[in-house]
Amino acid sequence: GENVEQHPSTLSVQEGDSAVIKCTYSDSASNYFPWYKQELGKRPQLIIDIRSNVGEKKDQRIAVTLNKTAKHFSLHITETQPEDSAVYFCAAYIGGGFKTIFGAGTRLFVKA
Amino acid sequence: EAQVTQNPRYLITVTGKKLTVTCSQNMNHEYMSWYRQDPGLGLRQIYYSMNVEVTDKGDVPEGYKVSRKEKRNFPLILESPSPNQTSLYFCASSLSPGQGAGNYGYTFGSGTRLTVV
Repeated sequence: GENVEQHPSTLSVQEGDSAVIKCTYSDSASNYFPWYKQELGKRPQLIIDIRSNVGEKKDQRIAVTLNKTAKHFSLHITETQPEDSAVYFCAAYIGGGFKTIFGAGTRLFVKA
Repeated sequence: EAQVTQNPRYLITVTGKKLTVTCSQNMNHEYMSWYRQDPGLGLRQIYYSMNVEVTDKGDVPEGYKVSRKEKRNFPLILESPSPNQTSLYFCASSLSPGQGAGNYGYTFGSGTRLTVV
């Protein structure tokens, strides 16, 4: 069946460094790829998304890149801050967009 | 304020006792979905609904039921809960992916932590 693999499962960086999280999807028809941030004890919140007709999207310190040929997309966080510490989930919309598969999550620690 | 409201936030129940977790959204979203979150497994889709009276199974539908009689409400029903359904549940809503260009990102409810003993 379709799946989304996310790596790494845990990432520790120094404040001010960059963090990169990578996801690979299996359904070549997937056309929408959101990223969510979940702080401890809270609900996931959408932070950025990208469509299949776009290669890169930026929003201040975060960016997402998409390689449709290789079927992978990545989240880039620059100038990391302690408040960036959270679990990050990637997702891919499949089956015409009505089903969503999430990656298993990446726990990001930003050390002050 | 645009939001998805889930109730209850916490629930402890016994095996076999039917329960319902309610979900309501005020954004006029056509699309709603239920997820369960378990450590190391991410968020797994239980059921989703594309519109009123239109629902379909996600990846882990066994042991769950849903209904969508009104656009704003999408309750999750566990008719005979078992311990393996102990989990954190999230309801979510969004614009319908079938509506064309737009942001299909989810707005999630605050979650329901269910324990079945």
